[in-house]
Amino acid sequence: EIVLTQSPGTLSLSPGERATLSCRASQSVSSSYLAWYQQKPGQAPRLLIYGASSRATGIPDRFSGSGSGTDFTLTISRLEPEDFAVYYCQQYGSSPLYSFGQGTKLEIK
Amino acid sequence: QVQLVQSGAEVKKPGSSVKVSCKASGGTFSNYAISWVRQAPGQGLEWMGGIIPIFGAANYAQRFQGRVTITTDESTRTSYMYLSSLRSEDTAVYYCARVGVYGDAFDIWGQGTMVTVSS
Repeated sequence: EIVLTQSPGTLSLSPGERATLSCRASQSVSSSYLAWYQQKPGQAPRLLIYGASSRATGIPDRFSGSGSGTDFTLTISRLEPEDFAVYYCQQYGSSPLYSFGQGTKLEIK
Repeated sequence: QVQLVQSGAEVKKPGSSVKVSCKASGGTFSNYAISWVRQAPGQGLEWMGGIIPIFGAANYAQRFQGRVTITTDESTRTSYMYLSSLRSEDTAVYYCARVGVYGDAFDIWGQGTMVTVSS
């Protein structure tokens, strides 16, 4: 079973700053099968990044994904007020078929 | 544009079962896999299982094997998640999500259904 570990658990930053969120897998994950989601309180998750580095339609270009193998990163270049939320990475393809990281909470400093 | 609309909140007794529905409006239904994901209060996301309507065979996370059944009804464009032997730890928001046009990622989500298990 592939376990995804996200760090940090909580990230405190100010608007305008750069955010770097990490997702580490216990085994190698195909880059094609790594996604990132944003979730705000009371809302369903929203797909941001798929295939490790491709943005979904409508996602601002301040969001970018990178990485391969066991280490993946979500970067938000300049934080906007609406970016403060919880972020999850997700892998597909190993048992269980899908799994999520435990999440990183991005909060306003 | 495809939307997934889920059934309303449920309150259940321990030991009972619950069936949550997820109806697709717009777009194509049968060719895209539907997964079910749950989120306990204040916790993260947990994949429960999924199904491709056109094939009908479901795949479940091992920890839910034997307790969860996911089905679809193509005539009504609806997916169902049935969870039995409910316990308090099953209290959560249950989401359906579509595997659409972005590889195997979940591009469209239902609004969520709160299931509360309490005596």
